[in-house]
Amino acid sequence: ELKVEQNPLFLSMQEGKNYTIYCNYSTTSDRLYWYRQDPGKSLESLFVLLSNGAVKQEGRLMASLDTKARLSTLHITAAVHDLSATYFCAVEMDSNYQLIWGAGTKLIIKP
Amino acid sequence: EPEVTQTPSHQVTQMGQEVILRCVPISNHLYFYWYRQILGQKVEFLVSFYNNEISEKSEIFDDQFSVERPDGSNFTLKIRSTKLEDSAMYFCASSEWAGLYNEQFFGPGTRLTVL
Repeated sequence: ELKVEQNPLFLSMQEGKNYTIYCNYSTTSDRLYWYRQDPGKSLESLFVLLSNGAVKQEGRLMASLDTKARLSTLHITAAVHDLSATYFCAVEMDSNYQLIWGAGTKLIIKP
Repeated sequence: EPEVTQTPSHQVTQMGQEVILRCVPISNHLYFYWYRQILGQKVEFLVSFYNNEISEKSEIFDDQFSVERPDGSNFTLKIRSTKLEDSAMYFCASSEWAGLYNEQFFGPGTRLTVL
């Protein structure tokens, strides 16, 4: 059974700081997704990572994938308050293309 | 920009009643999904649907649940006899399935409250 673990589950940080969210998974997969969810809202696709070594950047967020280590990271650079949200990683199963979700990281960025 | 829509945004029902949640996926998408999220918890897969039939379903998706694509645009989730523990946010998603990857796009959700 594919398991996806995110850490930390909760992160409170100051504006201007850098931090990294980690997503580990338990079986082989080449495809991983990061989503953002604001409170009471839907899930917004942020990044699609399709191969080992993939790196995607959008503004202050950068996501990477290491399929050998079964690890993806979401790095936040010089955080701003608008990035406060819950971030989910989801791993696509090779066998049936289902997404298996991490528990989410609730990120609070204080001014 | 095309988007997934869901109705209603909030549904309140009595335990034991039937509810139908409705979704209109993105028009050229072929794969459809239902997920649920209990408040503050993780996203849980319920079912995927392709070519007018269920392709995968989770353990949560028992006999109380059913899905249907009654016409060319709507995709519905029916819960036959709701339980208190069915209270959650239900998200519909759709994907194009580009052959390489399965990026899913989510609707705004229906908040189901079972009393």
